[in-house]
Amino acid sequence: GAVVSQHPSWVICKSGTSVKIECRSLDFQATTMFWYRQFPKQSLMLMATSNEGSKATYEQGVEKDKFLINHASLTLSTLTVTSAHPEDSSFYICSAKRDGDTQYFGPGTRLTVL
Amino acid sequence: EDKVVQSPLSLVVHEGDTVTLNCSYEVTNFRSLLWYKQEKKAPTFLFMLTSSGIEKKSGRLSSILDKKELSSILNITATQTGDSAIYLCAPRSGGSNYKLTFGKGTLLTVNP
Repeated sequence: GAVVSQHPSWVICKSGTSVKIECRSLDFQATTMFWYRQFPKQSLMLMATSNEGSKATYEQGVEKDKFLINHASLTLSTLTVTSAHPEDSSFYICSAKRDGDTQYFGPGTRLTVL
Repeated sequence: EDKVVQSPLSLVVHEGDTVTLNCSYEVTNFRSLLWYKQEKKAPTFLFMLTSSGIEKKSGRLSSILDKKELSSILNITATQTGDSAIYLCAPRSGGSNYKLTFGKGTLLTVNP
C-alpha cells in the first residue's frame, strides 16, 4: 500500500501557458498532500502544503497566484503553474501523508518551459 | 530557520563495503526524522525514527537517532551497485506546522 501517482510524468510547454499537474493517492486517503520542487543537484524544496477542503499553505517566497493548488478530494491534489516561464522548469514532486509522520512520494513531473 | 546538514555530500565505494551516512539537524519542535532513497525519480521511504537510541533495521540498512546530539546515521552494510542513489534525511517539525525539511542528500556510488 501507500502508492502515490502523478500525471503527467513530463510536460513541455511554451512560455506563457499554464500547466496542471495531478497528484493522486491510489490506495489511501490523504487529508494532507505536499508539493515540492527540485532543481538539478539540489534537494527537495517544499512549496506548499495542501489540505483537503481548505486553502493551501505556501512556503515563504512561493507565489500563491502563480502556483495554484487545489485539494478537492481526499485522493487528489492538483498544482497549476500559471503563465509558466523558463525559470519554472524543474522537477515537481508531490507527496501524501498517510499515518503519522510518513510521507509517500509520487514519481514526479518534469516540467520544461520553452 | 530549520537546518539539515548531511555528510558526506558524496561517497564512492566498492561493492561489499560498509558505509555510514550522517545527518545533523536543527528544527523547531522536532518530532521525528525520516530517511529516503532517491534514484532517478522521486524519493522512496526507508525509515522513520522518533526515539533516541533505538535502531531500525531493514535488510542491510539500519538507522539510529540521537536526539541529544541532534543527529542520525544511516548504515549500509555489504553495499551493492543497486544501493547507488541519493540518500536524503528529513526531520519533521511538530505541532500544527507539520513539515519535512530535506537535507541536500548524500550521493552514494557503489562500483562493482
